[in-house]
Amino acid sequence: GENVEQHPSTLSVQEGDSAVIKCTYSDSASNYFPWYKQELGKRPQLIIDIRSNVGEKKDQRIAVTLNKTAKHFSLHITETQPEDSAVYFCAASRGFGNEKLTFGTGTRLTIIP
Amino acid sequence: DTAVSQTPKYLVTQMGNDKSIKCEQNLGHDTMYWYKQDSKKFLKIMFSYNNKELIINETVPNRFSPKSPDKAHLNLHINSLELGDSAVYFCASSTRTDPNSPLHFGNGTRLTVT
Repeated sequence: GENVEQHPSTLSVQEGDSAVIKCTYSDSASNYFPWYKQELGKRPQLIIDIRSNVGEKKDQRIAVTLNKTAKHFSLHITETQPEDSAVYFCAASRGFGNEKLTFGTGTRLTIIP
Repeated sequence: DTAVSQTPKYLVTQMGNDKSIKCEQNLGHDTMYWYKQDSKKFLKIMFSYNNKELIINETVPNRFSPKSPDKAHLNLHINSLELGDSAVYFCASSTRTDPNSPLHFGNGTRLTVT
């Protein structure tokens, strides 16, 4: 089955700086890679996703890049703000997308004011 | 209106008891899921139902029995609760045939087994 590794497990950055979280996956057939944000005590929520036919996708201050050959994808957050503090999860799946998402182990991002 | 609602929010019970968690979605999705998030925040899929039919059953002890009376509801019954069952259980839903349909999670049920 799919195995998703995520690094780092914790990340602290100064407000205004950029944050990068990296994930690798094992199943070359995986074709859908979402990122979820989970604030303290709340539910995970989708923030951005990318499919295997695209190398990069941006949405305002967040972007995701995908390297299919190396089987890794990354989340980039620019101009970080205190409200970006949360646990971020990458995930991967094949086929119908959400049918069997395998999540990474999470990165706790702390923005230092 | 909460799109995916699950009850109860907190559940504290003793080892050996049987308990249920209920989940309902009003998004018109055809697929529902149960995920378990342990104390280290690992999110792992347990079950998935599409139109009331079980399509994913990960290596979960058979003490856990999901039931989907219709495509808007997916309940989770747990028999003979053990200390290791303590976790946050998230219900989620999506539309299987729509590749742009993200997972919508409920607010979670924090189960504590003492």
